[in-house]
Amino acid sequence: EVQLVESGGGLVKPGGSLRLSCAASGFTFSSYSMNWVRQAPGKGLEWVSSISSSSSYIYYADSVKGRFTISRDNAKNSLYLQMNSLRAEDTAVYYCHSSGWTPRYYFDYWGQGTLVTVSS
Amino acid sequence: QSALTQPASVSGSPGQSITISCTGTSSDVGGYNYVSWYQQHPGKAPKLMIYEVSNRPSGVPDRFSGSKSGNTASLTISGLQAEDEADYYCSSYTSSSTVFGGGTKLTVL
Repeated sequence: EVQLVESGGGLVKPGGSLRLSCAASGFTFSSYSMNWVRQAPGKGLEWVSSISSSSSYIYYADSVKGRFTISRDNAKNSLYLQMNSLRAEDTAVYYCHSSGWTPRYYFDYWGQGTLVTVSS
Repeated sequence: QSALTQPASVSGSPGQSITISCTGTSSDVGGYNYVSWYQQHPGKAPKLMIYEVSNRPSGVPDRFSGSKSGNTASLTISGLQAEDEADYYCSSYTSSSTVFGGGTKLTVL
């Protein structure tokens, strides 16, 4: 069974930092790109960042560029998001996500999400 | 990285058909056949309903179908059922990002 389990969310003051983690299991983590997607309370989905399988390609939404850093450890089947200089508008549920093709089928996996609240 | 444009809400009665549009640009929807549609119930993670414009994952009813014309993609749900009531989001890959639509709330009357 495929699982993506996020952790590391919580309450942080504006200007503070937080590191999210996503532990993956049940699929060949090292072969696929990974993404962070967030959803502010009562709002829509927003893509945050993507990282290729070997970390060669990394992309960020303009809203987080220069403040967030995505990384992965394929040996640990883990994805990370280092979030610095946090703002109130970063308050959201952060989802770990991956999609792609296996030799037999297309997959699309989401974690359960972890809530980040930025407030004084 | 502007969001794709979806109607805020649509509604239909059980058994009817509805279509949700998703309008982007030639840099996203119009430039790639990588449009996906997600269904999200309150408090739940999104669920993939359509990928690569018109393909259904295993387990998704064939009442759900997708298409694209130019810079606009569409999700059609036929034979509406009560459990279809949810938020729906389109997404499109671009050369360096993924962009989502603002979401459409589907109400089954």
